[in-house]
Amino acid sequence: DAGVTQSPTHLIKTRGQQVTLRCSPKSGHDTVSWYQQALGQGPQFIFQYYEEEERQRGNFPDRFSGHQFPNYSSELNVNALLLGDSALYLCASSLSGGLNEQYFGPGTRLTVT
Amino acid sequence: GNSVTQMEGPVTLSEEAFLTINCTYTATGYPSLFWYVQYPGEGLQLLLKATKADDKGSNKGFEATYRKETTSFHLEKGSVQVSDSAVYFCALSRAGRRALTFGSGTRLQVQP
Repeated sequence: DAGVTQSPTHLIKTRGQQVTLRCSPKSGHDTVSWYQQALGQGPQFIFQYYEEEERQRGNFPDRFSGHQFPNYSSELNVNALLLGDSALYLCASSLSGGLNEQYFGPGTRLTVT
Repeated sequence: GNSVTQMEGPVTLSEEAFLTINCTYTATGYPSLFWYVQYPGEGLQLLLKATKADDKGSNKGFEATYRKETTSFHLEKGSVQVSDSAVYFCALSRAGRRALTFGSGTRLQVQP
């Protein structure tokens, strides 16, 4: 049973560029959440997708957007990258009717130079 | 708003020592509480959870009890091993809301 997978593992971008990160949820899960983890900090909630719609959003600017596909996989897009966007981006999947046990992927390390 | 406060690390212990990592929270209503562990270079793994007051979550020798009166969810283990070295995160989610609010994490270093 494959767990949550994310791609790419690492990414280096320049300020002002755009980036797309990808996530495949754990088998059987229908809900995907994205988190940003700065170095030495706890993860911060970006948004959550269920039934291909954004259901909940944290305190992040509109530069951060996402999408969920019919197979429940998801993308996180960040436009106009800033140096402060450098972080580990974590995807978590869960089952909508469950007890909110979120299973995390290994993350994508984004470096903005 | 919701918040989670954890004791600052690093916590350095010798193998077989007793572990306590303190966690307190602020939230409206009755949140669910979680402990996650992050090993070097990896994502977060759910360690244990509790969904209502006085519930005790346990896994792999770790325990935590949901204390409504003190708004706490302290993590304990009776005898730590070198393999327990990792960063531990306390988190909560409000009823009806699925976003997790995390603490800043506590690094545990266990020496042989």
